[in-house]
Amino acid sequence: GAGVSQSPRYKVAKRGQDVALRCDPISGHVSLFWYQQALGQGPEFLTYFQNEAQLDKSGLPSDRFFAERPEGSVSTLKIQRTQQEDSAVYLCASSPNQGYQAFFGPGTRLTVL
Amino acid sequence: AQSVSQHNHHVILSEAASLELGCNYSYGGTVNLFWYVQYPGQHLQLLLKYFSGDPLVKGIKGFEAEFIKSKFSFNLRKPSVQWSDTAEYFCAVNARDSSYKLIFGSGTRLLVRP
Repeated sequence: GAGVSQSPRYKVAKRGQDVALRCDPISGHVSLFWYQQALGQGPEFLTYFQNEAQLDKSGLPSDRFFAERPEGSVSTLKIQRTQQEDSAVYLCASSPNQGYQAFFGPGTRLTVL
Repeated sequence: AQSVSQHNHHVILSEAASLELGCNYSYGGTVNLFWYVQYPGQHLQLLLKYFSGDPLVKGIKGFEAEFIKSKFSFNLRKPSVQWSDTAEYFCAVNARDSSYKLIFGSGTRLLVRP
């Protein structure tokens, strides 16, 4: 497929569990972004990678959130000790350049019980 | 800090009606402007974008948007909507000096009745 893919599409976690969300960007895209979309809201920026370098993580809501992109392609967003307020759709996007046009994936819907 | 306001949260129209969705942003510097659309069950897709030049931007599926700098607005318009335009529409901006970070509005849900 030519688009951004994310897995899993749905994740249910018990409070306190750790989760890992995967993003496969469009091949060759240098820039990769993670956004969090709460119910009824627009996406909110979490973090940005240029190749393997994490250039901005200012949107990560707490130190329980960690993102990596070790080889400059696939990225993983990890949430430790999940809380109910972490329930949201997590969107990944990629871009061939500095985010002028971001292509979004389908998102992972995380529900924390 | 940048922010984006979409004042219409829910809009219901009949087919062939005209559409205008409001978007205002708050930022003192130069911005790029976007409208994204999310059709039911699908991912966010770019509808149109403005970087510079002609403030009237035409996008896909007959949509257009006008950038009015003095009003900090970037309203989305379509002369005649179709049932297939039922979707959620998001306005977004990024600052030219941090162009990787999109700031989104809260979205407008559009329902077009056949």
